[in-house]
Amino acid sequence: GENVEQHPSTLSVQEGDSAVIKCTYSDSASNYFPWYKQELGKRPQLIIDIRSNVGEKKDQRIAVTLNKTAKHFSLHITETQPEDSAVYFCAAPARGGADGLTFGKGTHLIIQP
Amino acid sequence: EAQVTQNPRYLITVTGKKLTVTCSQNMNHEYMSWYRQDPGLGLRQIYYSMNVEVTDKGDVPEGYKVSRKEKRNFPLILESPSPNQTSLYFCASCPTGFGTDTQYFGPGTRLTVL
Repeated sequence: GENVEQHPSTLSVQEGDSAVIKCTYSDSASNYFPWYKQELGKRPQLIIDIRSNVGEKKDQRIAVTLNKTAKHFSLHITETQPEDSAVYFCAAPARGGADGLTFGKGTHLIIQP
Repeated sequence: EAQVTQNPRYLITVTGKKLTVTCSQNMNHEYMSWYRQDPGLGLRQIYYSMNVEVTDKGDVPEGYKVSRKEKRNFPLILESPSPNQTSLYFCASCPTGFGTDTQYFGPGTRLTVL
């Protein structure tokens, strides 16, 4: 099955700086890579996703890049704001199919004022 | 309002006392799934369902049961709960496959087994 590694587990950045979270995956057949954000006490919510036919996708201050050769993808947040403080999870299709996602262990992003 | 609901939101129980956590979605989604979230371990899939009467094991199914008798409901059953099942549980639904589309999570159920 799919194995997803996520780094770092905790990331502290100054407000206004950029943050980068990286994930690697094991199954070369995987073709869908979402990122979920979970604020304290809340449910995970999708913030951005990328499919294997593109190398980069942007949505305002958030971007995701994908390197299929190296089997890694990254979340980039620019001009960080206090509301970006949360736990972020990357994911890839579990068992190579449509039946579930394998999640990384999460990154706790802390925005320092 | 399109949503996934879970009940109860909080539950404290004792070892061996059967319990059910309900999950319901009003978006007519085919796929539903249960996850447990533990500190440092992320979200791990327990069971999933691709349609009515079609269910299968995820990565950590031991000690759990599910059923999908109606499209909108996907209850999680713990026949004989044990302390290692103390966790935060999330139900999720998805319009198409989980590996290809957005998952919509319920608010979570925090379970404590004494």
